[in-house]
Amino acid sequence: QLQLQESGPGLVKPSETLSLTCTVSGGSISTSPYYWGWIRQPPGKGLEWIGSVYYSGSTYYNPSLKSRVTISADRSKNQFSLNLSSVTAADTAVYYCTKRAPAGWFDPWGQGTLVTVSS
Amino acid sequence: EIVLTQSPVTLSLSPGERATLSCRASQSISSYLGWYQQKPGQAPRLLIYDASNRATGIPARFSGSGSGTDFTLTISSLEPEDFAVYYCQHRSNWPPFTFGPGTKVEVK
Repeated sequence: QLQLQESGPGLVKPSETLSLTCTVSGGSISTSPYYWGWIRQPPGKGLEWIGSVYYSGSTYYNPSLKSRVTISADRSKNQFSLNLSSVTAADTAVYYCTKRAPAGWFDPWGQGTLVTVSS
Repeated sequence: EIVLTQSPVTLSLSPGERATLSCRASQSISSYLGWYQQKPGQAPRLLIYDASNRATGIPARFSGSGSGTDFTLTISSLEPEDFAVYYCQHRSNWPPFTFGPGTKVEVK
């Protein structure tokens, strides 16, 4: 059974870069034709798609975040990562990693990790 | 960007009752709509994809309908574990993918 697990610092200072890793078990991120990506949820609010990396390495980002986001994959470790630069308090959220089929639906999801931006 | 709106914001019902949740898109998205359920402290779970198809393992009491701009998620008879927040999401004209703001189904 495919499982995803987020990891990374729970506290990031304003203006710094938020870095998270998602470790995938029970399947390979190199398997065609899937996307691996990130979705976030500010406390008490709704869901925002951040972006995805395709199994081939192509990346797709939310235009609202594109200038600050980098998503990459490390096939040797079966992991993919999120870097979000120049963070502010507005980036405080639970960050979820997910798998997406070409059809466009997010399934499954990791359990999520809370990242707080604060000095 | 396609904007999704959901109504009502909160639905107060009793176990055994029927729940009807709505999602409206700012432009036609054919049948490219999915529904997710999120319980407190948990990640969302895919319920319905392509407007009317149940995801693997989803009970038959969950059903979806609609096309174009108007969509409905129906829970035929609420079980205690169904009280949660429900989000719709489109997969048309991406990026970006967007989600609706959610409908909370609470115990009356």
